[in-house]
Amino acid sequence: EAGVTQFPSHSVIEKGQTVTLRCDPISGHDNLYWYRRVMGKEIKFLLHFVKESKQDESGMPNNRFLAERTGGTYSTLKVQPAELEDSGVYFCASTRPSGMSGRLEAFFGQGTRLTVV
Amino acid sequence: GENVEQHPSTLSVQEGDSAVIKCTYSDSASNYFPWYKQELGKRPQLIIDIRSNVGEKKDQRIAVTLNKTAKHFSLHITETQPEDSAVYFCAASIYSGAGSYQLTFGKGTKLSVIP
Repeated sequence: EAGVTQFPSHSVIEKGQTVTLRCDPISGHDNLYWYRRVMGKEIKFLLHFVKESKQDESGMPNNRFLAERTGGTYSTLKVQPAELEDSGVYFCASTRPSGMSGRLEAFFGQGTRLTVV
Repeated sequence: GENVEQHPSTLSVQEGDSAVIKCTYSDSASNYFPWYKQELGKRPQLIIDIRSNVGEKKDQRIAVTLNKTAKHFSLHITETQPEDSAVYFCAASIYSGAGSYQLTFGKGTKLSVIP
């Protein structure tokens, strides 16, 4: 099966500009997650979609970040306006519906490296 | 919320030696503990996981142990090889079914295996 894909792989933007990241999860995976890793720190949860609905957005840093998943397929994460501290690697992951005894695995995309200058 | 501490941040071992990475978690309700390996320039990939109803799990040269009372879990890699060099992340989660769970990650351990 095709893996989780993210676009772009790298983005360099100036402070104050807008950037939109895209994630295509594995087909059939209802659960889609966004994570972010700032250099040298842990991978931090941003938000979780179940199909097109936001299940948990407690990790979103502030209202400059907007995530959508229209139609329950791909997702976008928009940062507007971008600030220097938004730099990092943004990962998307997806999981399939699974019972308690099924294999659990979050499949990650390769990430988008965002640099705000 | 959950907090996961991971140690060490860097680890260098000679090829053939063992490597141990340790993590602690804060939320006693956490019941799922995966380990991810991220090679340079690649995506994080699940290498092994353990659930709270199990104390130890092995998969060839990799093993994970869990101590629920102490709230810590460890990754053990035996007979290390150069291709084991990567950043390893531990994570904790409360899993209640339907494939839906949020992972809280540690800060990662950069493992270097010296030939």
